[in-house]
Amino acid sequence: EPEVTQTPSHQVTQMGQEVILRCVPISNHLYFYWYRQILGQKVEFLVSFYNNEISEKSEIFDDQFSVERPDGSNFTLKIRSTKLEDSAMYFCASSKAAGGSTDTQYFGPGTRLTVL
Amino acid sequence: AQKVTQAQTEISVVEKEDVTLDCVYETRDTTYYLFWYKQPPSGELVFLIRRNSFDEQNEISGRYSWNFQKSTSSFNFTITASQVVDSAVYFCALRNYGQNFVFGPGTRLSVLP
Repeated sequence: EPEVTQTPSHQVTQMGQEVILRCVPISNHLYFYWYRQILGQKVEFLVSFYNNEISEKSEIFDDQFSVERPDGSNFTLKIRSTKLEDSAMYFCASSKAAGGSTDTQYFGPGTRLTVL
Repeated sequence: AQKVTQAQTEISVVEKEDVTLDCVYETRDTTYYLFWYKQPPSGELVFLIRRNSFDEQNEISGRYSWNFQKSTSSFNFTITASQVVDSAVYFCALRNYGQNFVFGPGTRLSVLP
């Protein structure tokens, strides 16, 4: 069964450094998402991406964040200058569509980001 | 504004007991979609069910069943004859015409042997 994959599984970085989190969505999916989950808290939406542009983003997704689909398979989340409060699990998700019966989002296993 | 409330923070049951996880949502939209996800201790999010606002038919899948009541804005999840492997955090989520999900705070279910 196809699945969303994410690398690395755990990233440790120093405050102020840039990090890139990588995701490979399910191959026939067209919509891509990033969410984060601070330890012990609920899952929060960051951004959705379709047709090579951001279609929706939350207040959390400020200028420090960017997303990119650099090729036909990868979908990346970049944090330019990490802060301590960016420490969280970051989940990538993908869906075939954004409406109707094919809008179910399938999540990757997550990347745990630790900012020191 | 959209909101999902899962009033039960933690539930503990003994194996083979039935357990119901509550989910209450708020939305002004007439078209919306409700989901349940399971997050086992390993951390990934596992899709369980999707239900749209026009389909109030309850659903059963093995030991899992879902009760959608628009009149009370609830989408409750019942596990029958619970097993230790059911131990996880369960999230209810809402999506309206937009693309982002609003997740509830989750309910941590512990099934004791």
